[in-house]
Amino acid sequence: SQQGEEDPQALSIQEGENATMNCSYKTSINNLQWYRQNSGRGLVHLILIRSNEREKHSGRLRVTLDTSKKSSSLLITASRAADTASYFCATPPETSGSRLTFGEGTQLTVNP
Amino acid sequence: GAVVSQHPSWVICKSGTSVKIECRSLDFQATTMFWYRQFPKQSLMLMATSNEGSKATYEQGVEKDKFLINHASLTLSTLTVTSAHPEDSSFYICSAASEFYNEQFFGPGTRLTVL
Repeated sequence: SQQGEEDPQALSIQEGENATMNCSYKTSINNLQWYRQNSGRGLVHLILIRSNEREKHSGRLRVTLDTSKKSSSLLITASRAADTASYFCATPPETSGSRLTFGEGTQLTVNP
Repeated sequence: GAVVSQHPSWVICKSGTSVKIECRSLDFQATTMFWYRQFPKQSLMLMATSNEGSKATYEQGVEKDKFLINHASLTLSTLTVTSAHPEDSSFYICSAASEFYNEQFFGPGTRLTVL
């Protein structure tokens, strides 16, 4: 079964609004990563947050991590139509290796 | 940045034929490459992990004799879908990792359609 579950599964907003996506996971982690996928394309790494971090920023992206609740959120501020894509969280195993388990993903649509 | 390419980007084949997909790390040496499958509107499912020079490790439920993986060099891994069936139609994505990077770098994907 998938390690991560994301909600909402789909999100539709207007340009300029903020978009928040959530991810939950089941096992202990060393870090959690967020990826973006445009339709029919490969994945682009957005941001990595380590298990000892609670919040991280990168441009218009803000990621939080709550290891006690095994959850993370991705906030995109001042969204643009070009942000329309699917967003996935992914976690590597705590033990070793870079093998990733992906969440179900959130399909974000930003309407101009 | 690190770039991973895949070839072909899309392929259509007849049932029963075999299809080979290449994954290349263009500007770094990938000690590990991963192969994922993604069905429409679904997440990525890891199929197998391959390390250069050794046999691939397949995920549960993935037939190793049907999905042949070869990782002959630090910059190339291939996935061969043998005796393809329509249910193998999917988006196949590879990624590459090295000891120098914290993240995996993903290829653009290959759309396989089996008629």
